[in-house]
Amino acid sequence: NAGVMQNPRHLVRRRGQEARLRCSPMKGHSHVYWYRQLPEEGLKFMVYLQKENIIDESGMPKERFSAEFPKEGPSILRIQQVVRGDSAAYFCASSPTEGSEAFFGQGTRLTVV
Amino acid sequence: GDSVTQMEGPVTLSEEAFLTINCTYTATGYPSLFWYVQYPGEGLQLLLKATKADDKGSNKGFEATYRKETTSFHLEKGSVQVSDSAVYFCALSSNNAGNMLTFGGGTRLMVKP
Repeated sequence: NAGVMQNPRHLVRRRGQEARLRCSPMKGHSHVYWYRQLPEEGLKFMVYLQKENIIDESGMPKERFSAEFPKEGPSILRIQQVVRGDSAAYFCASSPTEGSEAFFGQGTRLTVV
Repeated sequence: GDSVTQMEGPVTLSEEAFLTINCTYTATGYPSLFWYVQYPGEGLQLLLKATKADDKGSNKGFEATYRKETTSFHLEKGSVQVSDSAVYFCALSSNNAGNMLTFGGGTRLMVKP
């Protein structure tokens, strides 16, 4: 059973471009969580999704950020018109049920130049 | 809201030294508590957890005890190895927050031979 797969591992975008980060949860996992880790800081919760539903997006910036988890395919975190402050590591975690242990992917390191 | 505070690093130790990384928390209800480890360039791995007061989580020689009276979950290891060099994150999950984790800022451990 493959772990949580995130791609790309590294992403470089110029200011103003769009960034798309993908997360394929572990097989059988229908709950996905996105976290952001700014340099030298801990992880901050962004959004919690189940298939086709956003359950909690209280940690998402109000503008430019969106997330989806379609019925088929990976979860996508989309950042429009990126700015330098978006440079961070973005981690995805998945779990089979709401209260069970979450497993983390290796992260996508976004650099905005 | 929920919060986790852990000692700032870096913590530099010689091999076979005793390790303590302090972690205290603020939460409503009765959270579950976790320690995650992040090796360079990698995602987070669950190191150990405790789900109720006085529980002791342990793994790979590391242990931490859930102390409700002091709202603490300090990480300890009796004899560290060079391979333990990593960043350690304390985290909690409230019962009413799905599986969302609130993280501390992380503590970098460097073990020298």
